Parts: sequence; C-alpha cells; structure tokens
Amino acid sequence: ILNVEQSPQSLHVQEGDSTNFTCSFPSSNFYALHWYRWETAKSPEALFVMTLNGDEKKKGRISATLNTKEGYSYLYIKGSQPEDSATYLCALIQGAQKLVFGQGTRLTINP
Amino acid sequence: SQTIHQWPATLVQPVGSPLSLECTVEGTSNPNLYWYRQAAGRGLQLLFYSVGIGQISSEVPQNLSASRPQDRQFILSSKKLLLSDSGFYLCAWSVRATGELFFGEGSRLTVL
Repeated sequence: ILNVEQSPQSLHVQEGDSTNFTCSFPSSNFYALHWYRWETAKSPEALFVMTLNGDEKKKGRISATLNTKEGYSYLYIKGSQPEDSATYLCALIQGAQKLVFGQGTRLTINP
Repeated sequence: SQTIHQWPATLVQPVGSPLSLECTVEGTSNPNLYWYRQAAGRGLQLLFYSVGIGQISSEVPQNLSASRPQDRQFILSSKKLLLSDSGFYLCAWSVRATGELFFGEGSRLTVL
C-alpha cells in the first residue's frame, strides 16, 4: 500500500505571511505527483501535475517543487491571502493512473 | 468542454437501507472513472476505479460496489448501509495523459 504523508495536518498563517508544507512519498517507482486545492463547499481542483525530479511549477503566488530521489514535494504560498484558506492535498499515481491521496494540510489564513 | 455531475447531493439513510449514487461525464469518451470517500476527519480514500465499461477495480473491502453500465456513467451502490458508510463521496474522471482528476460536486451521505 502506497503511503503518502503530508505535514503539518493544519496550519494557521497571518495574512501577508508566506508559508509552505510538505508531501512525503516512497521514492521508488515514481510516476507523477499532483497537488490539489480543496476549498470548503467546493470540489478539489488540481494545482500542479509534476513528473520530473527537480520540477518547479508556479501559478500566481503558489509554487511547488519536487524531489523524487528523496521522496518529497513542497508547496509554497507567498503573501497569503484569505482566499488561500483551503485543504491542500497531494496525490501520487500508483499504476493504471490510480491516485492515492495524502491526508491533506488544512490552511487557515487569519486576516 | 468536459463536465461531471453526480447526484444526489445529500441524503440521509437508515442503517440497512440500500444506496445508489450516480455520476455521469460529458464531453469526453472512454475516461478513467473513480469513486473516492472522505470520512469524518480523514483524507480522500479511493474506493473504486474503472478504465472501461464493465471494468471495476475495488480498493477497499467493504459492503459497497460499483458499476459502469455505460462509457460515461459510474454508479456506487450498497445493498445494506452501515453507520461507517457515512461520509462525503466524490466521483472523478481523469485525463489519461496526465492522470489529472476532475471531481464532481460530491454527495454527503449520513447513515443513521
């Protein structure tokens, strides 16, 4: 069973501050890693699909890095805004395009 | 453009009653389809996935079942619900090239 770990489980950040959190996964047989944002009362939406070691992707104030050799990915948010409050999920593809999700990091931005 | 719909959005069912959640995808053909569940205080757990009509893979032994009677239709069922079946159920389809998931609106099930 593939084990995808996210830390921390929850995080409170002051508006304007930057933050980051981690997704850890087994480094063997890596295929792809996804980051999703899940806002309250909505469905999860994909932020990034990352496939190559050393990948760095950016969307506005949010960016992510990938290290497949050591088995981790970081998600960074620069200058947090209240609309960034959500649960951030990482997921690993395990054969046949089956995605296994971590428990998520619940981010709350305090105004 | 592709869209995904699932229903019902919410339901409250007594223990031992049957369940049927339905999901349909429009605007794409032969998608991979998935059922996920989020139980209270937990992450997204993969229940079933399907790579084609009549092809269902089960991830977790339980009293739920899934069927794919048509290319873009995915149904989650149970003959007798348990209290532990309560949760938020999400249907999703994926882009084959990247595996990126697109989720439906979700169905909140409460078993009493």
